[in-house]
Amino acid sequence: SYELTQPPSVSVSPGQTARITCSGDALPKQYAYWYQQKPGQAPVLVIYKDSERPSGIPERFSGSSSGTTVTLTISGVQAEDEADYYCQSADSSGTSLWVVFGGGTKLTVL
Amino acid sequence: QVQLVQSGAEVKKPGSSVKVSCKASGGTFSSYAISWVRQAPGQGLEWMGGIIPIFGTANYAQKFQGRVTITTDESTSTAYMELSSLRSEDTAVYYCARGILEMATIITEEVYYYYMDVWGKGTTVTVSS
Repeated sequence: SYELTQPPSVSVSPGQTARITCSGDALPKQYAYWYQQKPGQAPVLVIYKDSERPSGIPERFSGSSSGTTVTLTISGVQAEDEADYYCQSADSSGTSLWVVFGGGTKLTVL
Repeated sequence: QVQLVQSGAEVKKPGSSVKVSCKASGGTFSSYAISWVRQAPGQGLEWMGGIIPIFGTANYAQKFQGRVTITTDESTSTAYMELSSLRSEDTAVYYCARGILEMATIITEEVYYYYMDVWGKGTTVTVSS
């Protein structure tokens, strides 16, 4: 198993661009996925396979990957984007699979 | 549209066990992968384990090996997570989630990719004497 490292917090003003990073040694080989979680709610998938956006997720959410770091970018941040964001990846060996989450990043919209 | 409906909140004594259910509607349950993820108060998400039909077995995070059992009942489209030897640190919200498994062959190695696209609303488990 391995670790994913995220910054604990990111702050931006409305309309600006927020970037949340996630680093892990296995990320060059494995995809990363991003979840948004608002207080008292279950997580919601916002990015899968590094940069794909599920249907229903606004276009302002995008993802990218470079080496051991993946980045979630929220362009034109809105107040409703204030939430915790978690990156996730996986590791596998034969028919065994393990899921790893980053520690989470609290996005504050100033 | 897949939906996952979890059982209600539980209050348990230290040393006891808890079994949380997750009933699926929509889609073909027998083809689902199901993961269980927990979140202690004020903490992040923690993957406990999951069951993947094509693997035919459950995988568990090392931290929970020997204490957690994840099963499914296809006849009722329900997944279960049982956690034993409960302690106060197990107080958390427990989520079930549908997993999406994909595989690619990189050179000669099979690599599996996995993520969770549909989540239940969570079940609060409180462990207190």
